[in-house]
Amino acid sequence: DAKTTQPNSMESNEEEPVHLPCNHSTISGTDYIHWYRQLPSQGPEYVIHGLTSNVNNRMASLAIAEDRKSSTLILHRATLRDAAVYYCIRSSNSGGSNYKLTFGKGTLLTVNP
Amino acid sequence: SAVISQKPSRDICQRGTSLTIQCQVDSQVTMMFWYRQQPGQSLTLIATANQGSEATYESGFVIDKFPISRPNLTFSTLTVSNMSPEDSSIYLCSVVDRVYGYTFGSGTRLTVV
Repeated sequence: DAKTTQPNSMESNEEEPVHLPCNHSTISGTDYIHWYRQLPSQGPEYVIHGLTSNVNNRMASLAIAEDRKSSTLILHRATLRDAAVYYCIRSSNSGGSNYKLTFGKGTLLTVNP
Repeated sequence: SAVISQKPSRDICQRGTSLTIQCQVDSQVTMMFWYRQQPGQSLTLIATANQGSEATYESGFVIDKFPISRPNLTFSTLTVSNMSPEDSSIYLCSVVDRVYGYTFGSGTRLTVV
């Protein structure tokens, strides 16, 4: 049970912003929201993670709803290299077995030139 | 973040045989994880490998089929035993770091014929 809900697929045009939604309505107070992406023929790579506040890094921004039941991964300018499956994952950082990531089906992002 | 070297990158094996996959990390890590990704599917956690203790297996995975070794803090192996075509998958190891999150190896693509 991945405990998150994402659209199966989304499309974007190159150099346009992309907003990838994720629903995690049963999230607990100690669960972090992680985003990973998997490019074709590669292992997943870390994109961003957050707990309550919005987060920015060089790859993306993460906007977390005030009630934490949903979040949005924002790619500010999509490139062809951003075409991948994007996974939104809940995980507790409280240690032990809670460190494990449970992957759902993710969102397949297609970027059109 | 940690750098993971996973070997072999791919292999074709006969049914009934076993394959051992190696995962080497460039830094000491407490927890290592082994995942399976069946064709066209998302990642499924097989087990968590802790140094100095038995691996913890997820539901549906057993030690006799997927024995794991963790001799030190930088190395682990996963063996796929008595293989059948249903074992054809990509197998990935992963480590977790409090700062950088999870890092994945590039995977071992296994085909059983």
